Amino acid sequence: SAVISQKPSRDICQRGTSLTIQCQVDSQVTMMFWYRQQPGQSLTLIATANQGSEATYESGFVIDKFPISRPNLTFSTLTVSNMSPEDSSIYLCSVEDLGAVTDTQYFGPGTRLTVL
Amino acid sequence: LAKTTQPISMDSYEGQEVNITCSHNNIATNDYITWYQQFPSQGPRFIIQGYKTKVTNEVASLFIPADRKSSTLSLPRVSLSDTAVYYCLVGELNNFNKFYFGSGTKLNVKP
Repeated sequence: SAVISQKPSRDICQRGTSLTIQCQVDSQVTMMFWYRQQPGQSLTLIATANQGSEATYESGFVIDKFPISRPNLTFSTLTVSNMSPEDSSIYLCSVEDLGAVTDTQYFGPGTRLTVL
Repeated sequence: LAKTTQPISMDSYEGQEVNITCSHNNIATNDYITWYQQFPSQGPRFIIQGYKTKVTNEVASLFIPADRKSSTLSLPRVSLSDTAVYYCLVGELNNFNKFYFGSGTKLNVKP
């Protein structure tokens, strides 16, 4: 299975600032995804990070607020722009693994963001 | 995409077998069923995946009836370390499938 790392693991930010979260995979993958998990809640898909093209956003999420980059097959970034306390969440990236038997996603450890 | 329904929470004791059932009445012909486990402050971890009948691995078993409108994750002889949230998802394989998580089941294993 793919090994995924995220940076930073956590951060505390001021209202109105922006934070860029990095996701690094130890192998080339086609699909990468970004999720948000608010305190005590389930995961919500933000967008699909497409290599070489713009990300595909889910309903309720826009590029101006959550710009995503995918410069190659092992790396992606998610920026949380103009932050407010409502953006305090755990942000997770995942990659799709098209295995011979299973098709699943592997998740990074997450980035815990607190906005003051 | 098929919506899933799970119990919000379950309690169990160490050494017991735990069965968590997921309802997915609108599952499509090409959909597979996947279960994830999530510990606090960690990303979800893949447990098991299946299409029909029964699948077993070193961690759990997955039972899927013929109509596939539900599935049951079975954890044999749980320990305190199995306390986690368990998510059931359905989706089509090999189609760059996007995962939509339901509410999950919070399993609390007591000594």
